[in-house]
Amino acid sequence: DIQMTQSPSSVSASVGDRVTITCRASQDIGSWLAWYQQKPGKAPKLLIDAGSSLQSGVPSRFSGSGSGTDFTLTISSLQPEDFATYYCQQANSFPLTFGGGTKLEIK
Amino acid sequence: EVQLVESGGGLVQPGGSLRLSCVASGFTFSQYEVNWVRQAPGKGLEWLSYISTGGTTIHYADSVKGRFTISRDSAKNSLLYLQMNSLRAEDTAVYYCARDRPYMDVWGKGTTVTVSS
Repeated sequence: DIQMTQSPSSVSASVGDRVTITCRASQDIGSWLAWYQQKPGKAPKLLIDAGSSLQSGVPSRFSGSGSGTDFTLTISSLQPEDFATYYCQQANSFPLTFGGGTKLEIK
Repeated sequence: EVQLVESGGGLVQPGGSLRLSCVASGFTFSQYEVNWVRQAPGKGLEWLSYISTGGTTIHYADSVKGRFTISRDSAKNSLLYLQMNSLRAEDTAVYYCARDRPYMDVWGKGTTVTVSS
């Protein structure tokens, strides 16, 4: 099984800050990676697929990069609505696996 | 509006069974693969199962293999099921169905399953 390791597990930041979350796969997954945002009590929302492809309607302050085993999600200028938990997920092979999540909190 | 709606959750005793349903609307459900994903209280996301468009290819997580069965209704093309048997306390979670594209681009709001005596 492919293990997905996210870091940090939590981060405190302020509105306007730039934040980077990393995700590492235990083996090469090419660009088969998605990023999701989840707010308390809500279902996850797909932000980015194929490593770097922004979903329609997702603000351009979100960006994804990476391939192979190392990936990053960057939020260029945090907005109040961005405080949430973020998950990466590999879609390279079954079983599909998620990272442990990164909780983005207000400083 | 494209949406998925889960139902069938509830309180069940350890060792019991439950069948979850997921109904799709706003898109041609039969043309998409689908997953079940769960989230235990205060924990992260756990993928459980996948079914292909025709139902011929199915995958399960080891944690549910042999206990859970995914299926889709070929007659009612907008229905997906998860039959859950031999339930354990650790199966307590919110269960989501999610469209696979192959990334999970549409999610239901979830249905809560509580396994407790």
